[in-house]
Parts: sequence; C-alpha cells; structure tokens
Amino acid sequence: AQRVTQPEKLLSVFKGAPVELKCNYSYSGSPELFWYVQYSRQRLQLLLRHISRESIKGFTADLNKGETSFHLKKPFAQEEDSAMYYCALSGRNKFYFGSGTKLNVKP
Amino acid sequence: SAVISQKPSRDICQRGTSLTIQCQVDSQVTMMFWYRQQPGQSLTLIATANQGSEATYESGFVIDKFPISRPNLTFSTLTVSNMSPEDSSIYLCSVVLAGGGGELFFGEGSRLTVL
Repeated sequence: AQRVTQPEKLLSVFKGAPVELKCNYSYSGSPELFWYVQYSRQRLQLLLRHISRESIKGFTADLNKGETSFHLKKPFAQEEDSAMYYCALSGRNKFYFGSGTKLNVKP
Repeated sequence: SAVISQKPSRDICQRGTSLTIQCQVDSQVTMMFWYRQQPGQSLTLIATANQGSEATYESGFVIDKFPISRPNLTFSTLTVSNMSPEDSSIYLCSVVLAGGGGELFFGEGSRLTVL
C-alpha cells in the first residue's frame, strides 16, 4: 500500500542554519513526489516536485529511489520559511500526503 | 493556476444535522478530490469526485455519510451527513487542472465545527 512518512512533527532551527525535512515513501510503482507548504492562514500550495528538479525559495529535494526518500533541504533557513510542510505522493490518479512537519525558524 | 472557491468557509453545526460544501473552479479541471484535515493531523483523501457518476470513495468513507456530486467539470459538492463532533474538521476541495503540470491545487477549505 502507498504511504508517506514524515517522522518529525516539529523542527526548530535558527535563522541561517541548514534545514532538512525528512520524507520517506512506500509505493509499488513509479510515483511522483511533491512538497507542499502551508503558510499561516494561507491555503496549501505546491513548493516543488521531483520531476522539475528546481530550486524554489532556496529549497531543493532529491528523489532517492534506493532509500525511497524525498527529503527537503535548504542551506540557510529564513524566518519566512516558518510553515507547515507536507510531502505528497502521486500515483494511479490519486495524491497521498504525509502527516506534515512544522518548521519554526527562530530569529 | 486557478481560483478554487469553497463555500462555506466555516460553519458551526448541531449534532445530527447535515451540511453541504460547494467547490467551484474557474478553470478546466481533469480531476477533483475531497480531503479532510482533522486538527493536528494530515490530509486524508475522502473520495475522487467523478463527473456525472458516483464518486470513488477511499477506505473508511462511505457514500451515505459523505455524498458527493459533480454535475460538471468545474463544480462539486460534498455533504457531511448526520454530523457528530468527530466530523469537526477542515474539508478541502482540490483539483488537477487541464493543461497543467499534474500537480494538485487546493481551495481554502471549509472549517466545520459540530457541537
């Protein structure tokens, strides 16, 4: 069965520190992986997806099929990065979400 | 992107009553889904709304409790029937746009509180 696991409910870092939000998945097939972000009082929005291999707002994520991981990274966190981050998997016309990680960037 | 409008944005309801949530999209849509986000928890897929036919429900969700309609490509309704306090949640409409990149777009959600 498909599953998306985000082991950390809360991650607190200081401004300027590196940040890594972990995501592991299980899926029998070739899924597409996404990171979604929800800033305070805003709707969920796409941050990035693995097929585009882009850096968005300084964030990157690499799909590691061997480890079935899709960790989100940023070398220098900013206070405006504080938000809820959800890892998501798309397969067979459905989207499944992890439990989310709240990132708190302290000044 | 697209404008995805959900109504109502929030409501407080009495136990045993039913509430219908509407979702309207201003662009062409290929897929439409309804999710539930309970306090402090992740998004759980309720069902895929199919145009002109019965929705496809995920395990744990049934049509009698969550009837869904999708009369055309850009509009859908979700009804939460015979509500109990356990149904208190945010209900999210989400879509994949025609001609888009295949990602999911979300409405702002409908926050439901059942007393």
